[in-house]
Amino acid sequence: AQSVAQPEDQVNVAEGNPLTVKCTYSVSGNPYLFWYVQYPNRGLQFLLKYITGDNLVKGSYGFEAEFNKSQTSFHLKKPSALVSDSALYFCAVKGRGNAGNMLTFGGGTRLMVKP
Amino acid sequence: GAGVSQSPSNKVTEKGKDVELRCDPISGHTALYWYRQSLGQGLEFLIYFQGNSAPDKSGLPSDRFSAERTGGSVSTLTIQRTQQEDSAVYLCASSPLAGGGETQYFGPGTRLLVL
Repeated sequence: AQSVAQPEDQVNVAEGNPLTVKCTYSVSGNPYLFWYVQYPNRGLQFLLKYITGDNLVKGSYGFEAEFNKSQTSFHLKKPSALVSDSALYFCAVKGRGNAGNMLTFGGGTRLMVKP
Repeated sequence: GAGVSQSPSNKVTEKGKDVELRCDPISGHTALYWYRQSLGQGLEFLIYFQGNSAPDKSGLPSDRFSAERTGGSVSTLTIQRTQQEDSAVYLCASSPLAGGGETQYFGPGTRLLVL
């Protein structure tokens, strides 16, 4: 079975500082990994994904994530946080082959960026 | 272009009543997914459809839940004899295909409250 862990319920960061939202996963074989963001009363908005190739993936709104196979991690990062980045962030994994086509999500991390 | 749309945006019902939730996927997307987001359970996969193949119903929590997809486009999720634990946000997503690293694009969700 596949699973995702987001160890921090909330991350607080000052505007202009770098941010990191942590994600570790468990899946059989090589994973597909995704980050989504959710603003209040909205659906999930796709940020970025890792499929194969370069371990550093760049996505929307200046976000990036680094795939680390040995640590089974896919942490989300941004060099300089904005107040408007405050939202709920979800990491998700999908297995390959016969693992099924559904996404398995972590519990979410609330990012609070303070002015 | 138009994204995934869902209706109604909010639904309040009484325990024991049946409800129908509707999803319009992105035009041309052959894969359609239903997920549920609740405080206690986080984001859970319910069911997905891929073209004319039999749907993967492995995430449906009970036989009170069913879904259909007509003409390979619109989908309806039906919950019979609703219970208070069915209260959640029901999210629909679509992707061009079901396999590989295809991105799933989410609708705004239907917020269901069972009294």
